[in-house]
Amino acid sequence: DTGVSQDPRHKITKRGQNVTFRCDPISEHNRLYWYRQTLGQGPEFLTYFQNEAQLEKSRLLSDRFSAERPKGSFSTLEIQRTEQGDSAMYLCASSLAMRGAPLHFGNGTRLTVT
Amino acid sequence: TQLLEQSPQFLSIQEGENLTVYCNSSSVFSSLQWYRQEPGEGPVLLVTVVTGGEVKKLKRLTFQFGDARKDSSLHITAAQPGDTGLYLCAGPSKLTFGTGTRLQVTL
Repeated sequence: DTGVSQDPRHKITKRGQNVTFRCDPISEHNRLYWYRQTLGQGPEFLTYFQNEAQLEKSRLLSDRFSAERPKGSFSTLEIQRTEQGDSAMYLCASSLAMRGAPLHFGNGTRLTVT
Repeated sequence: TQLLEQSPQFLSIQEGENLTVYCNSSSVFSSLQWYRQEPGEGPVLLVTVVTGGEVKKLKRLTFQFGDARKDSSLHITAAQPGDTGLYLCAGPSKLTFGTGTRLQVTL
């Protein structure tokens, strides 16, 4: 297994456009998390899935953000009508469904909204 | 959401020096994890501490979980440039990461 992969690594978009990011977790991991991280800060939780069910969403996740994990494998995060404040690194992580199980992160998608 | 405060926010030291970074909360945690993140990459797990008062060592890194399980520390002995990165603590639910300590070790 090659670990968690995210695509694309970088995305530059104009304000108002929609963007979609993809995350492929480690295959045997049934939990998948999305985080947003700005420079020098810790990751901020956005949402997580157990299998295909979205179990929790942060209050940070505005109506413009939507995440899916339709078959319980890969996940997508879509941001509609992007704003400059959406510029950040978007990190995906996966883990087993056990309390305290370590997170395995991808290398993130860096979004720049111009 | 349980908040985790880390200090210092930024630390710049020379190779060979020792340092300690802290992770504090007003909440009790069943466990805490420490991650290191290098530029352009995702965080990587270093250690999980579970028992109050527990001390774990990973080469030159020593991790301690507070007796009351509200705080943790990371001590690095004889820092090297390869230790440079963002150090993050995280609660067990994965919904909460600390604010991070950015460490820079120079020659």
